Amino acid sequence: DIQMTQSPSSLSASVGDRVTITCRASQGISNYLAWYQQKPGKVPKLLIYAASTLQSGVPSRFSGSGSGTDFTLTISSLQPEDVATYYCQKYNSAPREYTFGQGTKLEIK
Amino acid sequence: QVQLVQSGAEVKKPGASVKVSCKASGYTFTSYYMHWVRQAPGQGLEWMGIINPSGGSTSYAQKFQGRVTMTRDTSTSTVYMELSSLRSEDTAVYYCAREAYYDSSGGVAFDIWGQGTMVTVSS
Repeated sequence: DIQMTQSPSSLSASVGDRVTITCRASQGISNYLAWYQQKPGKVPKLLIYAASTLQSGVPSRFSGSGSGTDFTLTISSLQPEDVATYYCQKYNSAPREYTFGQGTKLEIK
Repeated sequence: QVQLVQSGAEVKKPGASVKVSCKASGYTFTSYYMHWVRQAPGQGLEWMGIINPSGGSTSYAQKFQGRVTMTRDTSTSTVYMELSSLRSEDTAVYYCAREAYYDSSGGVAFDIWGQGTMVTVSS
């Protein structure tokens, strides 16, 4: 099984800061990676798919990059409404696997 | 609008089974795979399995093999997830989620989620 490791597990940053979250796959997964945001008590929301494509309606301060084993989610200027836990997810077609990373909890300093 | 509406909260005893439903609306039900994801209290997201609403084929995460069954009813655009031999560790919110496939990039992601169903396993 391909494992997904996110780092850090939590972080605290100030409004306006640039924030980066990393996701590493134990084997290469091309660009088969998505990022989700889950605000406290809410349903997960898709932010980015195919490693770097922004889902419709998601603010442009969110961006994704990477391919192979190393991926990043970047928030260019942190806003108060970005307080949430962020998850990466990899997709594998054979066998079908959709493993999530363990999550990164983002708080405002 | 496109939405997934799940059945209500359940309380079950250890050893029992639970069946959660997820009704789709606003799109062609048979055109999108559906997944089930669970989240234990204070924990992360855990993928359970996938069903193809068109033919009914399924694929389950190894952890749940033998305990989970996913089915669908095309007449009501509803998918079901049944989990058997429940134990306290199965206490979680269970989500259905639609899989979107993005032709241009080959990307796959869960673009629409149900509101979640809390399943509590307690004696």
